Amino acid sequence: DTGVSQNPRHKITKRGQNVTFRCDPISEHNRLYWYRQTLGQGPEFLTYFQNEAQLEKSRLLSDRFSAERPKGSFSTLEIQRTEQGDSAMYLCASSLVGESSYNEQFFGPGTRLTVL
Amino acid sequence: AQKITQTQPGMFVQEKEAVTLDCTYDTSDPSYGLFWYKQPSSGEMIFLIYQGSYDQQNATEGRYSLNFQKARKSANLVISASQLGDSAMYFCAMRGESTGRRALTFGSGTRLQVQP
Repeated sequence: DTGVSQNPRHKITKRGQNVTFRCDPISEHNRLYWYRQTLGQGPEFLTYFQNEAQLEKSRLLSDRFSAERPKGSFSTLEIQRTEQGDSAMYLCASSLVGESSYNEQFFGPGTRLTVL
Repeated sequence: AQKITQTQPGMFVQEKEAVTLDCTYDTSDPSYGLFWYKQPSSGEMIFLIYQGSYDQQNATEGRYSLNFQKARKSANLVISASQLGDSAMYFCAMRGESTGRRALTFGSGTRLQVQP
């Protein structure tokens, strides 16, 4: 399978705990994006990387959230001191500059976070 | 700022018939791209079709076509010959091209149910 993969697929945690999610993009894709999707809504942009550089962050990305892409390949999204409002599906996507004229983003299956 | 509006929370269509899913948008960016994604119950977002704001012709991709009316700021998705496997959430999204931002802005989605 050469698509975007995300681990874990499901995470249940207690309020106040830290959680970390991993995303492996499509091989050679140089852009990687994180989105959050709550029930009944469309995805909301969180942040994006080009190679290892984090180029854009949404206001949704509070100081409890941190994302890294240390070697320009996989990425991690960490949420510290989780709150019940963090419960959502966290989606990762990747794209390759120049692959097509519109650089569509390819999405992974998501990590569903439940904060009790 | 960018905004996508999908006014149909749910739609029903009979198998083999055509269906139109509505999408209107608002942006101050003179150059932008419009996307449609399908999200089955498995959760993964699947790219369907793209329309650039300067494209003269409506985009088509197999059974999918995009009815782009720039003056009305609408980008409706038409699915011809519906199949049972088309049952899913459908999201309209846009990306401004002039500012260099890569984030997609999504609408709230339309749930399509194809009936046999």
